[in-house]
Amino acid sequence: EDQVTQSPEALRLQEGESSSLNCSYTVSGLRGLFWYRQDPGKGPEFLFTLYSAGEEKEKERLKATLTKKESFLHITAPKPEDSATYLCAVQAVDGNNRLAFGKGNQVVVIP
Amino acid sequence: ETGVTQTPRHLVMGMTNKKSLKCEQHLGHNAMYWYKQSAKKPLELMFVYNFKEQTENNSVPSRFSPECPNSSHLFLHLHTLQPEDSALYLCASSQEKERNTIYFGEGSWLTVV
Repeated sequence: EDQVTQSPEALRLQEGESSSLNCSYTVSGLRGLFWYRQDPGKGPEFLFTLYSAGEEKEKERLKATLTKKESFLHITAPKPEDSATYLCAVQAVDGNNRLAFGKGNQVVVIP
Repeated sequence: ETGVTQTPRHLVMGMTNKKSLKCEQHLGHNAMYWYKQSAKKPLELMFVYNFKEQTENNSVPSRFSPECPNSSHLFLHLHTLQPEDSALYLCASSQEKERNTIYFGEGSWLTVV
């Protein structure tokens, strides 16, 4: 069974204080690893897909990296508007397109 | 605006009621999904439809009944629900291909009283 573990569960950052979120995964064969951002009361918003170890993707203050066992979402010099829950999900090669999600990293950035 | 629209956004229903959630995608995708999101739990996949055919039912109780009349529309019919079914129900869509991205709607908040 595909498993995704995200840590830390919750994180409070001062504005400008860079940090990283971790997503550890177990999957029979990885088709893709996804990062989403979810604001309270809203649906997940797509951020990145990573397909192979060593791949990196960036968007504004966010950078996602991937190894064979885990992914990191680095937040550089965060702003209050980066406050959200960040969800990690994996898609298996034989998984019928379904995503297996972690519980999320809840990030609060304090001005 | 993600291209996946869900209605209603909020729903309160009694345990003996029958209601439906609706989802429409404007992305030209051919796969649609229902996910359930409860507090402190990961998103749980409920149903998958590819080209209007149900390809996965993730052990969902029969009080939840999906319907997919075409590739753009997906319904979730609700009947005799329990209070523990209260959650955020998320619809999503993607293109059926090797590498795809699943896009979510804003969700329907369901409260069962």
